[in-house]
Amino acid sequence: DTAVSQTPKYLVTQMGNDKSIKCEQNLGHDTMYWYKQDSKKFLKIMFSYNNKELIINETVPNRFSPKSPDKAHLNLHINSLELGDSAVYFCASSTGTSGYTGELFFGEGSRLTVL
Amino acid sequence: DAKTTQPTSMDCAEGRAANLPCNHSTISGNEYVYWYRQIHSQGPQYIIHGLKNNETNEMASLIITEDRKSSTLILPHATLRDTAVYYCIGYGSSNTGKLIFGQGTTLQVKP
Repeated sequence: DTAVSQTPKYLVTQMGNDKSIKCEQNLGHDTMYWYKQDSKKFLKIMFSYNNKELIINETVPNRFSPKSPDKAHLNLHINSLELGDSAVYFCASSTGTSGYTGELFFGEGSRLTVL
Repeated sequence: DAKTTQPTSMDCAEGRAANLPCNHSTISGNEYVYWYRQIHSQGPQYIIHGLKNNETNEMASLIITEDRKSSTLILPHATLRDTAVYYCIGYGSSNTGKLIFGQGTTLQVKP
């Protein structure tokens, strides 16, 4: 019974294409995140949403557009893919009802390769 | 945000205790010390966190010095499955869930 699930796990695509990664959590959390891990293995936050409201936007190019249809889902759409977008994208969730805890639950990651 | 410093890599013999140090001399009074690990090809996993007192859970123990400038994560009986990158992170609730991951310590548990 996966807590934070992402699809697809692997994605290979050509430069210039548009792609989406979906994330769902069944933990009842109200805050969700997208983190990016590049080829050098550094993990950096991209976005966070609390109850469908954007909380953090870490100066990510506007080709990246997160969408949260409800508090259990946070999708990431990427337009006009570039080589530098190749990375592993991790979705995470946490509870924010009594302050923003640092205990995040991460998904297994979606490895995006742009050719 | 507190800057943390960790050794790049460490080895540990299977069955022995793994002690992973972290320096966080700039940590502020309301920032917790969080530890995560990332096993190869998996998402980061929360281990433990603490503010001032030592903490223990089913995964590990966290020892924080009295001046809060450093801490040690202890895996009491390391197994091969504990081989991972371990991250020490200073975090306050005002960070709104933004965890700042450094390079971490690559722990290799050897048979």
